[in-house]
Amino acid sequence: DAGVIQSPRHEVTEMGQEVTLRCKPISGHNSLFWYRQTMMRGLELLIYFNNNVPIDDSGMPEDRFSAKMPNASFSTLKIQPSEPRDSAVYFCASSLSGAETQYFGPGTRLLVL
Amino acid sequence: GENVGLHLPTLSVQEGDNSIINCAYSNSASDYFIWYKQESGKGPQFIIDIRSNMDKRQGQRVTVLLNKTVKHLSLQIAATQPGDSAVYFCADSPGAQKLVFGQGTRLTINP
Repeated sequence: DAGVIQSPRHEVTEMGQEVTLRCKPISGHNSLFWYRQTMMRGLELLIYFNNNVPIDDSGMPEDRFSAKMPNASFSTLKIQPSEPRDSAVYFCASSLSGAETQYFGPGTRLLVL
Repeated sequence: GENVGLHLPTLSVQEGDNSIINCAYSNSASDYFIWYKQESGKGPQFIIDIRSNMDKRQGQRVTVLLNKTVKHLSLQIAATQPGDSAVYFCADSPGAQKLVFGQGTRLTINP
C-alpha cells in the first residue's frame, strides 16, 4: 500500500484565495483525521470522520475552514478565504477504526502571503 | 480539560546510549497511549502503542512504560543511533475516538 497520500505537497497562495487540500486514506481504513501543525501550537486535530461521516469538528478554527469526505477514498480540507495565520503544515491521517494507530501522510506545507 | 505534556522539550544523548523520553497526561479516563516519531519534513510515524490494561510493551529497540498511578508514560530507545534523531510525540486517547498530542521532545544524538 502507498500509505496516506496528500496533495499538493506545497502550496503558496495569497491572502484571500481559496485553498483546497486533498487526502487519500489507506484503503480499508474507516477513520480519517485532519491535523494542523505549527511551531506555536504543535499538532492540533481539526476534524475527523468515521465511515465518511464527520464526528468531531470542534478543532476547526472558524467558518473559513470546511472539510468533506464524499467517499471512503477521498477527503478535502478547504480554507476560504485564506489568511496568513493559516500558514502551517496540514496532515491527514487514517486508521482502521477510531483513534488507534493512525498513519499519517507526508503533509501539505501551506504558506499564505 | 485534556492535557498531554512532556517534561523536557529537548534531549541530547550519546550514540549507543539508551534514551528515555517522558510524558505526563492528565486525563484519568485515557485508555490508549501511543508514541510517534517525526523526522524533519515528514509526517509523524507510528512507533509503539499501549493500552491501559498493560504497564509495559516492547518493540524492536523500543519499550513503552505506563504508570497509571502517576499518569506517566515513557519511551525507552535502546542503543540510540543517529537515525533516531527526531521529534517524539506522545498522545493519549480517552474513549478511543481521537488522539491528543503532546508538544514533542526533540532527540539529538551526539557522535
